[in-house]
Amino acid sequence: EVQLLESGGGLVQPGGSLRLSCAASGFTFSSYGMTWVRQAPGKGLEWVSVIGGGGGTTYYADSVKGRFTISRDNSKNTLYLQMNSLRAEDTAVYYCAKHMSGSRWDAFDIWGQGTMVTVSS
Amino acid sequence: QLVLTQSPSASASLGASVKLTCTLSSGHSNYAIAWHQQQPEKGPRYLMKLNIDGSHSKGDGIPDRFSGSSSGAERYLTISSLQSEDEADYYCQTWGTGIHVFGTGTKVTVL
Repeated sequence: EVQLLESGGGLVQPGGSLRLSCAASGFTFSSYGMTWVRQAPGKGLEWVSVIGGGGGTTYYADSVKGRFTISRDNSKNTLYLQMNSLRAEDTAVYYCAKHMSGSRWDAFDIWGQGTMVTVSS
Repeated sequence: QLVLTQSPSASASLGASVKLTCTLSSGHSNYAIAWHQQQPEKGPRYLMKLNIDGSHSKGDGIPDRFSGSSSGAERYLTISSLQSEDEADYYCQTWGTGIHVFGTGTKVTVL
């Protein structure tokens, strides 16, 4: 069964850091692009960052550029999101999603269950 | 600028059909999109990828009641024989070099 399992969320103070993980199983992880998407409480979906199957160039939403870093370890079938200089507006459920192909630019066909990040003092 | 426009809400009776619209911004009418469903208190679920010619590839286990179609810059999701479990938010998603974009979502209410 194809599965994504996020972890690492929690409560952090403004200005703090957090690293999210997304453990993948049931497919050849290195063959697919991966994305992080977030959803603030009561709001819609917001794309955060994307990475190709082999890694390489990464892209970010303007709202997180310079503060967040996406990476992957294909030997561990795991996607990461390092979040620094966190702000209250980063409070959201963070989802990882698998792309339909190895490309960074394709539909998301598998979603994780999400992990909650709360930025508050 | 790549933008997707969705109506905020739609409703139909149990067993009836509802057609949702996702409109691509000017200059992007040839883009493919994907439809995702988010039931209350759950994570999103992929429904289908919809191409400009109306061809689509559905996710595993997605019922035949869900279908997609295209016309110009508009992409549609039709849900037939509405069930109570279809009450959810529906998001369209597209992509361009350097960016992924979501629509604001349409909340479907089953009457």
